[in-house]
Amino acid sequence: SQELEQSPQSLIVQEGKNLTINCTSSKTLYGLYWYKQKYGEGLIFLMMLQKGGEEKSHEKITAKLDEKKQQSSLHITASQPSHAGTYLCGADMSYSGAGSYQLTFGKGTKLSVIP
Amino acid sequence: DTGVSQNPRHKITKRGQNVTFRCDPISEHNRLYWYRQTLGQGPEFLTYFQNEAQLEKSRLLSDRFSAERPKGSFSTLEIQRTEQGDSAMYLCASSLEGGYGYTFGSGTRLTVV
Repeated sequence: SQELEQSPQSLIVQEGKNLTINCTSSKTLYGLYWYKQKYGEGLIFLMMLQKGGEEKSHEKITAKLDEKKQQSSLHITASQPSHAGTYLCGADMSYSGAGSYQLTFGKGTKLSVIP
Repeated sequence: DTGVSQNPRHKITKRGQNVTFRCDPISEHNRLYWYRQTLGQGPEFLTYFQNEAQLEKSRLLSDRFSAERPKGSFSTLEIQRTEQGDSAMYLCASSLEGGYGYTFGSGTRLTVV
């Protein structure tokens, strides 16, 4: 089974609607990263979370890491067509002091926004 | 500095040929990582360097894969005797220690025919 599960696998929303993507692990997450990827391109960094209960926002995107550091959510408010793409969560799942930061990724959530 | 740079963007090669990809990280980043991504999957970690030292290489997919970072700056990933199953996007990333600024390049898409 996948170490890092993302849900849903895909999402189609009307422009202006809010949405949430989840990233869940059975292990503690040391360093949780959210990225956005357009088809055939590289990953664009969105946010990094490290502390339990941490929440960060950038423009209309908010990401949270739960207190137990085993689940993160990404919330988009008032979605726009420019938000379309695949959202990936990646995590360091092996504590090793300074951190190796070998990231384990989920399979991604494909978001489509209908104008 | 414009971010992590990867060359070439696309590579088509015949089965059995060797290929080499280059990655230029963000200049102040001392960590450099290589990942592979196949269609519909998230990136899969292959190897990483801290400065010129390769600290993890057990996740390289086979002994046909090797990576170098000779002077702690740019890195190369070589695949020898390519197979059709090697077709994928190869991504490079760099960061500071502690994983800060973990930035990916645009990737090299390899097609083995």
